[in-house]
Amino acid sequence: NAGVTQTPKFRVLKTGQSMTLLCAQDMNHEYMYWYRQDPGMGLRLIHYSVGEGTTAKGEVPDGYNVSRLKKQNFLLGLESAAPSQTSVYFCASAWDTEAFFGQGTRLTVV
Amino acid sequence: DQQVKQNSPSLSVQEGRISILNCDYTNSMFDYFLWYKKYPAEGPTFLISISSIKDKNEDGRFTVFLNKSAKHLSLHIVPSQPGDSAVYFCAASYYGGATNKLIFGTGTLLAVQP
Repeated sequence: NAGVTQTPKFRVLKTGQSMTLLCAQDMNHEYMYWYRQDPGMGLRLIHYSVGEGTTAKGEVPDGYNVSRLKKQNFLLGLESAAPSQTSVYFCASAWDTEAFFGQGTRLTVV
Repeated sequence: DQQVKQNSPSLSVQEGRISILNCDYTNSMFDYFLWYKKYPAEGPTFLISISSIKDKNEDGRFTVFLNKSAKHLSLHIVPSQPGDSAVYFCAASYYGGATNKLIFGTGTLLAVQP
């Protein structure tokens, strides 16, 4: 039972490049979330999904897009990466109120 | 606008003593509150939660208190152990439109000294 798996774990991008972060969960959870963690800012919600085929904006959605084509996967896309998107990204899933987190993706944009 | 606030970035406590971590929120719609613990290079893990219909919830050494009128909650750890050293995040959620949006605070770094 893997829980929540994030791919990749580390990535360095050049400004303007695009990439997709993958989150996969094997717990059949309806809710999935993408957060970013920055020093002094805590965990900020980027986008979330309440079920397959649905997505919604969180606190800091600008510069990101998401898709939830399959219930077990939640993809976070950066179309044109900027240095301000250097952060640690966490995915989480939940069936009710308790969310389970992945190990994180450390992204550096140079 | 920060809806969930943890005003103490860090806290240092002696082993065996009580650790008290505080959290304030501004949105009166929140009806469920959680505490998460995070070690470096790992994802946050769930610690304890409380519904807005309660004012206290205990789980072993961990107790969460909720004061709805003050929009304040606290996490008590008794006795504190060196393995408790981590960043603690307070989180709040509400079933507004069945969104179950989970909002986190900025975190408090707890250091338990042996």
